[in-house]
Amino acid sequence: GAGVSQTPSNKVTEKGKYVELRCDPISGHTALYWYRQSLGQGPEFLIYFQGTGAADDSGLPNDRFFAVRPEGSVSTLKIQRTERGDSAVYLCASSLAGPGGNTEAFFGQGTRLTVV
Amino acid sequence: GDSVTQMEGPVTLSEEAFLTINCTYTATGYPSLFWYVQYPGEGLQLLLKATKADDKGSNKGFEATYRKETTSFHLEKGSVQVSDSAVYFCALDSNYQLIWGAGTKLIIKP
Repeated sequence: GAGVSQTPSNKVTEKGKYVELRCDPISGHTALYWYRQSLGQGPEFLIYFQGTGAADDSGLPNDRFFAVRPEGSVSTLKIQRTERGDSAVYLCASSLAGPGGNTEAFFGQGTRLTVV
Repeated sequence: GDSVTQMEGPVTLSEEAFLTINCTYTATGYPSLFWYVQYPGEGLQLLLKATKADDKGSNKGFEATYRKETTSFHLEKGSVQVSDSAVYFCALDSNYQLIWGAGTKLIIKP
């Protein structure tokens, strides 16, 4: 596609529910990143995929959070038993190759998750 | 661990004023440094970057120089426009992730 696409753009869910957030990266980009951005703060790293595998999931806050990228393209971030503190904008980014400063990461517009 | 500190906003300027947004970092090694911009209602966009000491990144009239001695990457523009109103983020590349500052909201008044 023309850019990184994230769906839905907004999601309101009740505390305790399960949610899935989808990211469709730029075609051909092997690296995919998930970040979380709380109001008034910079993005916070969650997980990085290189192809189908999670190369680094050290940013996932706890075991309620899980992400997959089964075919090396679309990725889904899954949050179980949502809590009000999970409310944030979840950002996805993709790049041609892995990190190292020589490839640009392109960001989607994010999914605004609100847990009520 | 690695970190980025940038000046708090909002920064409010008149059109054609000179802009500086300060950014300093703490890192092991020599990371690449970035400025991203987020216009209202849009996603984050890379504004400029520098990959080694003394490099100057530039784009759309904005500049920033990678200063190893002061661990800084300040963003500057000589004459701002109303269309520059946005939130600006400084970031560094730390292995598999970008480490971000908190962002600085810039408001330009006509």
